[in-house]
Amino acid sequence: DVKVTQSSRYLVKRTGEKVFLECVQDMDHENMFWYRQDPGLGLRLIYFSYDVKMKEKGDIPEGYSVSREKKERFSLILESASTNQTSMYLCASSSGTGDVQPQHFGDGTRLSIL
Amino acid sequence: GQNIDQPTEMTATEGAIVQINCTYQTSGFNGLFWYQQHAGEAPTFLSYNVLDGLEEKGRFSSFLSRSKGYSYLLLKELQMKDSASYLCAASDSNYQLIWGAGTKLIIKP
Repeated sequence: DVKVTQSSRYLVKRTGEKVFLECVQDMDHENMFWYRQDPGLGLRLIYFSYDVKMKEKGDIPEGYSVSREKKERFSLILESASTNQTSMYLCASSSGTGDVQPQHFGDGTRLSIL
Repeated sequence: GQNIDQPTEMTATEGAIVQINCTYQTSGFNGLFWYQQHAGEAPTFLSYNVLDGLEEKGRFSSFLSRSKGYSYLLLKELQMKDSASYLCAASDSNYQLIWGAGTKLIIKP
Protein backbone atom coordinates (compact mmCIF):
# COMPACT_ATOMS: atom_id res chain seq x y z
CA ASP A 1 0.00 0.00 0.00
CA VAL A 2 1.06 3.56 -0.68
CA LYS A 3 2.10 5.40 2.42
CA VAL A 4 2.09 9.18 2.54
CA THR A 5 3.34 10.51 5.85
CA GLN A 6 2.91 14.04 7.07
CA SER A 7 5.22 15.12 9.87
CA SER A 8 2.58 16.49 12.26
CA ARG A 9 -1.14 15.86 12.82
CA TYR A 10 -1.62 19.06 14.80
CA LEU A 11 0.47 22.22 14.85
CA VAL A 12 0.03 25.57 16.57
CA LYS A 13 2.14 28.54 15.48
CA ARG A 14 2.12 32.28 15.93
CA THR A 15 1.49 35.00 13.38
CA GLY A 16 4.66 35.92 11.51
CA GLU A 17 6.45 32.63 12.14
CA LYS A 18 7.98 30.63 9.31
CA VAL A 19 6.26 27.24 9.27
CA PHE A 20 7.46 24.03 7.64
CA LEU A 21 5.13 21.15 6.80
CA GLU A 22 6.84 17.97 5.68
CA CYS A 23 5.50 15.14 3.53
CA VAL A 24 7.17 11.86 2.61
CA GLN A 25 5.88 9.12 0.30
CA ASP A 26 7.31 5.63 0.00
CA MET A 27 6.10 4.50 -3.44
CA ASP A 28 8.54 6.31 -5.72
CA HIS A 29 5.75 8.50 -7.09
CA GLU A 30 6.71 11.26 -9.50
CA ASN A 31 3.88 13.61 -8.59
CA MET A 32 3.31 15.30 -5.26
CA PHE A 33 0.71 17.85 -4.22
CA TRP A 34 -0.16 20.19 -1.36
CA TYR A 35 -3.79 21.11 -0.71
CA ARG A 36 -5.64 22.96 1.95
CA GLN A 37 -9.11 21.88 3.04
CA ASP A 38 -11.55 24.31 4.64
CA PRO A 39 -15.18 23.69 5.69
CA GLY A 40 -17.65 24.17 2.85
CA LEU A 41 -14.90 24.37 0.22
CA GLY A 42 -13.38 21.74 -1.99
CA LEU A 43 -9.73 20.86 -1.74
CA ARG A 44 -7.71 23.76 -3.06
CA LEU A 45 -4.36 23.13 -4.70
CA ILE A 46 -1.50 25.21 -3.34
CA TYR A 47 1.52 23.79 -5.18
CA PHE A 48 2.45 20.62 -7.00
CA SER A 49 5.56 18.96 -8.34
CA TYR A 50 6.09 16.48 -11.15
CA ASP A 51 9.76 15.86 -10.50
CA VAL A 52 12.66 16.57 -8.18
CA LYS A 53 13.49 20.29 -7.94
CA MET A 54 10.45 21.06 -10.01
CA LYS A 55 7.42 23.00 -8.72
CA GLU A 56 4.29 24.52 -10.18
CA LYS A 57 1.83 26.96 -8.66
CA GLY A 58 -1.66 25.73 -7.98
CA ASP A 59 -4.76 27.81 -7.45
CA ILE A 60 -3.76 29.53 -4.20
CA PRO A 61 0.06 29.79 -3.96
CA GLU A 62 0.19 33.23 -2.32
CA GLY A 63 1.94 33.16 1.05
CA TYR A 64 3.37 29.67 0.45
CA SER A 65 6.44 28.14 -1.10
CA VAL A 66 7.58 24.53 -1.58
CA SER A 67 10.73 22.51 -1.83
CA ARG A 68 11.39 19.16 -3.47
CA GLU A 69 15.04 18.24 -3.08
CA LYS A 70 14.39 14.49 -3.08
CA LYS A 71 11.79 12.49 -4.96
CA GLU A 72 10.13 11.15 -1.83
CA ARG A 73 9.89 14.43 0.08
CA PHE A 74 7.79 17.54 -0.61
CA SER A 75 7.84 20.39 1.88
CA LEU A 76 5.35 23.23 2.22
CA ILE A 77 6.61 26.48 3.71
CA LEU A 78 4.53 29.32 5.10
CA GLU A 79 6.91 32.23 4.79
CA SER A 80 5.21 34.42 7.39
CA ALA A 81 2.20 32.71 8.90
CA SER A 82 -1.08 34.59 9.09
CA THR A 83 -4.36 33.72 10.79
CA ASN A 84 -6.09 33.12 7.43
CA GLN A 85 -3.71 30.21 6.88
CA THR A 86 -5.33 28.30 9.72
CA SER A 87 -6.56 25.19 7.93
CA MET A 88 -6.18 21.47 7.32
CA TYR A 89 -3.25 20.80 5.00
CA LEU A 90 -3.21 17.63 2.95
CA CYS A 91 -0.29 16.19 1.02
CA ALA A 92 -0.87 13.71 -1.81
CA SER A 93 1.18 11.74 -4.30
CA SER A 94 0.47 9.90 -7.54
CA SER A 95 2.39 7.99 -10.16
CA GLY A 96 2.78 8.73 -13.84
CA THR A 97 2.87 11.82 -16.00
CA GLY A 98 0.31 12.88 -18.58
CA ASP A 99 -2.17 10.24 -17.57
CA VAL A 100 -4.65 9.95 -14.81
CA GLN A 101 -3.77 8.07 -11.66
CA PRO A 102 -5.48 8.34 -8.28
CA GLN A 103 -3.87 10.55 -5.70
CA HIS A 104 -2.96 9.03 -2.35
CA PHE A 105 -3.26 11.28 0.66
CA GLY A 106 -1.53 11.69 3.98
CA ASP A 107 -3.56 12.03 7.18
CA GLY A 108 -3.30 15.80 7.10
CA THR A 109 -1.87 18.49 9.36
CA ARG A 110 -4.34 20.66 11.22
CA LEU A 111 -2.52 23.97 11.51
CA SER A 112 -3.67 26.76 13.80
CA ILE A 113 -2.11 30.21 13.53
CA LEU A 114 -2.65 32.36 16.62
CA GLY B 1 -14.94 28.76 -15.18
CA GLN B 2 -14.45 25.32 -13.70
CA ASN B 3 -16.96 24.09 -11.18
CA ILE B 4 -18.08 20.98 -9.33
CA ASP B 5 -21.43 20.75 -7.54
CA GLN B 6 -22.56 18.10 -5.11
CA PRO B 7 -25.08 18.18 -2.23
CA THR B 8 -23.74 19.35 1.10
CA GLU B 9 -25.35 16.66 3.23
CA MET B 10 -27.50 13.56 2.86
CA THR B 11 -29.11 11.20 5.35
CA ALA B 12 -29.91 7.54 4.78
CA THR B 13 -30.86 4.47 6.76
CA GLU B 14 -28.67 1.49 7.50
CA GLY B 15 -29.29 -1.27 4.94
CA ALA B 16 -30.75 1.11 2.36
CA ILE B 17 -29.37 2.51 -0.91
CA VAL B 18 -28.20 6.09 -1.45
CA GLN B 19 -27.15 7.96 -4.60
CA ILE B 20 -24.81 10.94 -4.34
CA ASN B 21 -24.86 13.17 -7.41
CA CYS B 22 -22.09 15.32 -8.84
CA THR B 23 -22.20 17.74 -11.76
CA TYR B 24 -19.09 19.26 -13.26
CA GLN B 25 -17.94 21.92 -15.69
CA THR B 26 -14.28 21.77 -16.65
CA SER B 27 -11.94 22.96 -19.39
CA GLY B 28 -11.44 19.60 -21.04
CA PHE B 29 -12.13 16.37 -19.23
CA ASN B 30 -9.93 13.42 -18.36
CA GLY B 31 -12.14 11.52 -15.99
CA LEU B 32 -13.91 11.74 -12.68
CA PHE B 33 -12.85 10.47 -9.26
CA TRP B 34 -14.78 9.65 -6.11
CA TYR B 35 -13.05 9.65 -2.73
CA GLN B 36 -14.27 8.78 0.75
CA GLN B 37 -13.13 10.82 3.74
CA HIS B 38 -13.96 9.86 7.32
CA ALA B 39 -13.87 12.70 9.83
CA GLY B 40 -10.30 13.59 10.75
CA GLU B 41 -8.81 11.18 8.23
CA ALA B 42 -7.26 11.27 4.77
CA PRO B 43 -9.41 10.98 1.64
CA THR B 44 -9.20 7.48 0.18
CA PHE B 45 -9.74 6.60 -3.47
CA LEU B 46 -13.02 4.86 -4.34
CA SER B 47 -13.46 4.96 -8.10
CA TYR B 48 -12.46 6.51 -11.41
CA ASN B 49 -14.66 6.86 -14.52
CA VAL B 50 -13.55 8.18 -17.87
CA LEU B 51 -16.03 6.44 -20.19
CA ASP B 52 -19.80 6.71 -20.02
CA GLY B 53 -21.54 4.05 -18.00
CA LEU B 54 -21.59 2.29 -14.69
CA GLU B 55 -18.58 0.83 -12.88
CA GLU B 56 -19.38 -1.56 -10.05
CA LYS B 57 -17.10 -2.38 -7.14
CA GLY B 58 -18.85 -4.44 -4.52
CA ARG B 59 -21.38 -2.32 -2.63
CA PHE B 60 -20.20 0.84 -4.39
CA SER B 61 -20.91 1.80 -8.02
CA SER B 62 -20.07 4.94 -9.94
CA PHE B 63 -21.77 6.27 -13.06
CA LEU B 64 -20.64 8.83 -15.61
CA SER B 65 -22.39 10.73 -18.40
CA ARG B 66 -19.85 12.90 -20.23
CA SER B 67 -22.47 14.58 -22.41
CA LYS B 68 -24.40 15.72 -19.33
CA GLY B 69 -21.39 16.53 -17.15
CA TYR B 70 -22.86 14.27 -14.51
CA SER B 71 -21.77 11.48 -12.24
CA TYR B 72 -23.19 9.66 -9.27
CA LEU B 73 -21.91 7.35 -6.58
CA LEU B 74 -24.31 4.61 -5.55
CA LEU B 75 -23.89 2.94 -2.18
CA LYS B 76 -25.89 -0.22 -1.50
CA GLU B 77 -26.60 -2.12 1.73
CA LEU B 78 -25.49 0.87 3.76
CA GLN B 79 -23.48 0.24 6.88
CA MET B 80 -22.80 2.59 9.77
CA LYS B 81 -19.13 2.72 8.73
CA ASP B 82 -20.22 4.35 5.46
CA SER B 83 -20.89 7.56 7.40
CA ALA B 84 -18.30 9.88 5.86
CA SER B 85 -17.85 12.67 3.38
CA TYR B 86 -17.76 11.71 -0.29
CA LEU B 87 -15.65 13.91 -2.56
CA CYS B 88 -16.14 14.23 -6.29
CA ALA B 89 -13.19 15.46 -8.40
CA ALA B 90 -12.91 15.98 -12.16
CA SER B 91 -9.64 15.91 -14.07
CA ASP B 92 -9.34 18.82 -16.52
CA SER B 93 -7.38 19.16 -19.76
CA ASN B 94 -4.15 19.70 -17.79
CA TYR B 95 -4.83 16.63 -15.66
CA GLN B 96 -5.44 18.87 -12.66
CA LEU B 97 -8.20 17.80 -10.27
CA ILE B 98 -11.10 20.16 -9.65
CA TRP B 99 -12.69 19.19 -6.34
CA GLY B 100 -16.24 19.46 -5.07
CA ALA B 101 -16.84 20.55 -1.48
CA GLY B 102 -17.91 17.04 -0.53
CA THR B 103 -21.18 15.43 0.53
CA LYS B 104 -21.49 14.49 4.19
CA LEU B 105 -23.41 11.23 4.39
CA ILE B 106 -25.14 10.46 7.69
CA ILE B 107 -26.31 6.89 8.24
CA LYS B 108 -29.05 6.31 10.80
CA PRO B 109 -29.82 2.92 12.38
